[in-house]
Amino acid sequence: QVQLVESGGGVVQPGGSLRLSCVVSGFIFNSYGMHWVRQAPGKGLEWVAFIRYDGSNKYYADSVKGRFTISRDNSKDTLFLQMNSLRAEDTAVYYCTKADGNYFDYWGQGTLVTVSS
Amino acid sequence: QSALTQPASVSGSPGQSITISCTGTSSDVGGYNYVSWYQQHPGKAPKLMIYDVTNRPSGVSNRFSGSKSGNTASLTISGLQAEDEGEFYCSSYTSTNTPWVFGGGTKLTVL
Repeated sequence: QVQLVESGGGVVQPGGSLRLSCVVSGFIFNSYGMHWVRQAPGKGLEWVAFIRYDGSNKYYADSVKGRFTISRDNSKDTLFLQMNSLRAEDTAVYYCTKADGNYFDYWGQGTLVTVSS
Repeated sequence: QSALTQPASVSGSPGQSITISCTGTSSDVGGYNYVSWYQQHPGKAPKLMIYDVTNRPSGVSNRFSGSKSGNTASLTISGLQAEDEGEFYCSSYTSTNTPWVFGGGTKLTVL
C-alpha cells in the first residue's frame, strides 16, 4: 500500500534552517509530482510547494518563495523541503502528499516544525 | 484569509443530509473542474473524499457526493453517521501564481 513518511521536524530558532524529508513506498515515485502542505496549530491547510515527477518544474506559495526549496531524489524515493530564514509563522505540521492530477490523493502523517526562540 | 470560502461549521442529526459549500472565483472553482474535498479527524492527516468535482476514490462511501455550480462547489453527505464528524476542506486548482488553494475548513458536528 501507499506510504509516505515525513521526518526532520523539530524546534528551530527564528532565522534558522531545517530540512524535511519524505520517504515514499507503494507507488512508482518517479512517475508522480509531489506537494508539501502545511497546517499551523488550530488552523486550516495551506499549500506550500509542488515539484514535477522529474524535478523539472517547481512552484511555491508566495509566503515561502525565496526561502523554501523543494527537491527530490528519485533514486531514493525521497522528497525534500529545505526551509531557510524560518519565521514564527512557519510553525506548522508539514505534510508531504502525492499528486494525481490536481488533487492530493495520499498524505503522510506529518512532521511538526516549531519556530521559536 | 483563505482563497476559497467555506462555512465555519455545519451540523446535522444521524441519518440526515448536509451540504458544505466552497465558494471561489472564475480563476479557480468556476474556471476548472479541479475541485477536491478532504476529511480530517483531530490529530490525523487529511483524507481525499472527492476529486475533480464529482469523483469518489475507491473505498470512499457513496454517501459522499460532490457538485459544482458557477463559482461554488458543494460536498453533500447523506445518511449522516457519527464517524462523519470532523473537519472538511475543499481545494481547487487556480490560474493565479498560487496554483493550488484550500478553503478555510468546515467543522461538521453530528448531533
